[in-house]
Amino acid sequence: QVQLVQSGAEVKTPGASVKISCKASGYAFINYFMHWVRQAPGQSLEWMGIISPVTTYRHYAQKFQGRVTMTSDTSTSTIYMELSSLTSDDTAVYYCVRADVQDFDSWGQGTLVTVSS
Amino acid sequence: DIVMTQTPLSSPVTLGQPASISCRSSESLVHSDGNTYLSWYQLRPGQPPRLLIYKISNRFAGVPDRFSGSGAGTDFILTISRVEAEDVGIYYCMQATQFPRTFGQGTRVDIK
Repeated sequence: QVQLVQSGAEVKTPGASVKISCKASGYAFINYFMHWVRQAPGQSLEWMGIISPVTTYRHYAQKFQGRVTMTSDTSTSTIYMELSSLTSDDTAVYYCVRADVQDFDSWGQGTLVTVSS
Repeated sequence: DIVMTQTPLSSPVTLGQPASISCRSSESLVHSDGNTYLSWYQLRPGQPPRLLIYKISNRFAGVPDRFSGSGAGTDFILTISRVEAEDVGIYYCMQATQFPRTFGQGTRVDIK
């Protein structure tokens, strides 16, 4: 079955960067776009961007332009999301998501990132 | 950006009774390919979100048939025909017609 397994929780200080991994299994990795979505405490879900696992196609939400980098490693079926210049507003649970056409059909378990001095 | 507005934000429901959640988009969600990419997600405590309904009214694999979706254009509804205890959680609509993908604020469903 489809599995998306994310890296563990992170604690960062303001100004630092965080890099989260998401390892896919149970399906043909190269055939599906992947997204990153986050949820800050008490807030709704927030879309961050989309990545093609095999081409150079990326599209980031304007809010994160210049701060986010999404990458893919087809040899390990893993995608990564790096967010820089962290502030307390970036404290959130981050999810990788597989997209079947436009629908978010499989989600990773989530990675809690806490930004605190 | 397309703004998604859900009502109500909280819905206390008696077990076995129906529940409905409305989702309105700030512009039409009809894509140039003719599809309407409006989906619904369930978020239960301690779990990642789960796809329930896609393209307005299609139930995802394994989703109980008490969940149904309807609507068109800018107005959509998620209905739970008979709420069960396991349905407690927060429900989100999402549009995938345009970038950026946007979600509603979420509707909390709990048991009276």
